[in-house]
Amino acid sequence: QSALTQPASVSGSPGQSITISCTGISSDVGTYNVVSWYQQHPGKAPKLMIYEGSKRPSGVSNRFSGSKSGNTASLTISGLQAEDEADYYCCSHVGYSTWVFGGGTKVTVL
Amino acid sequence: QVQLVESGGGVVQPGRSLRLSCAASGFTFNNYAIHWVRQVPGKGLEWLTVMSYDGNNKYYADSVKGRFTISRDDSKNTLYLQMNSLRTEDTAIYYCATETWGSYYFNYWGQGTLVTVSS
Repeated sequence: QSALTQPASVSGSPGQSITISCTGISSDVGTYNVVSWYQQHPGKAPKLMIYEGSKRPSGVSNRFSGSKSGNTASLTISGLQAEDEADYYCCSHVGYSTWVFGGGTKVTVL
Repeated sequence: QVQLVESGGGVVQPGRSLRLSCAASGFTFNNYAIHWVRQVPGKGLEWLTVMSYDGNNKYYADSVKGRFTISRDDSKNTLYLQMNSLRTEDTAIYYCATETWGSYYFNYWGQGTLVTVSS
């Protein structure tokens, strides 16, 4: 199973909105509405930010939102803040109880 | 609060074995599936394996199938990853993570343990 495709980097100024895409194939992202997104700061463990494509866990800022169209899932960060600078990974269940991650996107706050 | 603590990492020679542990606290251990995910330093995340909440189901990524074995001891609230025939490309930080079975996302993560495979 190949990794999901994410842009290597995305940047934005404080207060702006940015969107990270996560492209799969019809048998993963396109079939299952179970894409999740994780934030990882340097030296730290990943943290769940979005699950089931668009749901936020308790405690996650509503500046983070998720969506899906066809074989592409997206994570949008609104009102970008310095603390949002981190790596972001998408992940999808791909059947037969296996999972695949995207390659990761480094978000830089300019 | 929910806590997952990995241990057992270290330096090991190629071809040798290592067993990682993931000690859980703060939640009902046998209500959750537990996964192992690894990350080569500076690189992305790679899903490796999962064991269901009841221990009856285990699934592996092709990259570790036949070499790694996942197990759990509910009496100790601990999950294990037995890694055999280690290769240099297995060098990574290994994380355990919980999943409410059937939810398909990882809600809690440990801090990771570093495994270095080198001669």
